[in-house]
Amino acid sequence: QSALTQPASVSGSPGQSITISCTGTSSDFVNYNIVSWYQQLPGKAPKILIYEVTKRPSGVSTRFSGSKSGNTASLTISGLQAEDEAEYYCCAYAGSSPMEFGGGTKLTVL
Amino acid sequence: VQLVESGGFEVQPGGSLRLSCVASGFTFDDYTMHWVRQAPGKGLEWISLLSWDGVTTYYADAVKGRFTISRDNSKKSLFLQMNSLTTEDTALYFCAKESGSYNAIDYWGQGTPVTVSS
Repeated sequence: QSALTQPASVSGSPGQSITISCTGTSSDFVNYNIVSWYQQLPGKAPKILIYEVTKRPSGVSTRFSGSKSGNTASLTISGLQAEDEAEYYCCAYAGSSPMEFGGGTKLTVL
Repeated sequence: VQLVESGGFEVQPGGSLRLSCVASGFTFDDYTMHWVRQAPGKGLEWISLLSWDGVTTYYADAVKGRFTISRDNSKKSLFLQMNSLTTEDTALYFCAKESGSYNAIDYWGQGTPVTVSS
């Protein structure tokens, strides 16, 4: 059972925006801005989208953005595209271990 | 950056395996490295990290006492010794590199599959 809770699935139509939440239970999650987000396309290795809550690595589309408020971090994908259909994972320092992943959210583009 | 895992195999419960990961395209001995696994149809599970100098290790509770992470910087290689395997350890095992600039994994290998079955 992960200490980071994500919705199992979200969906949206092309061009829309969607938000995936990641809720942490530890005080370390609240106090430290060490949250990252990964995209995993079917049959592929994960790819980093966001680090330190809001920052995008070079080469990642500006359609991906991150935020955090209290014990909930969020990934927003704007201008949804068919190729965004994938599994998305949050990752954070969760207190009990230096790194923990959320359960993952399957994004379906309608 | 390239990370290539090997060593995955089918093994019986109680058995052992040693996974390897060979790195290229970056200065291997400058970076903390991780192992992350993914059971069939399930999510990502972080299992271990090892600091650049091989001194600092962390393990997830699920593998603590059974798995040992190590590295050989001269061979640009990361290892995972897995003992007392159970069916719960069946997964695709990814080798991953931590960024030197921020607290997150920035590159992943393609994974090596481990199946524990009688």
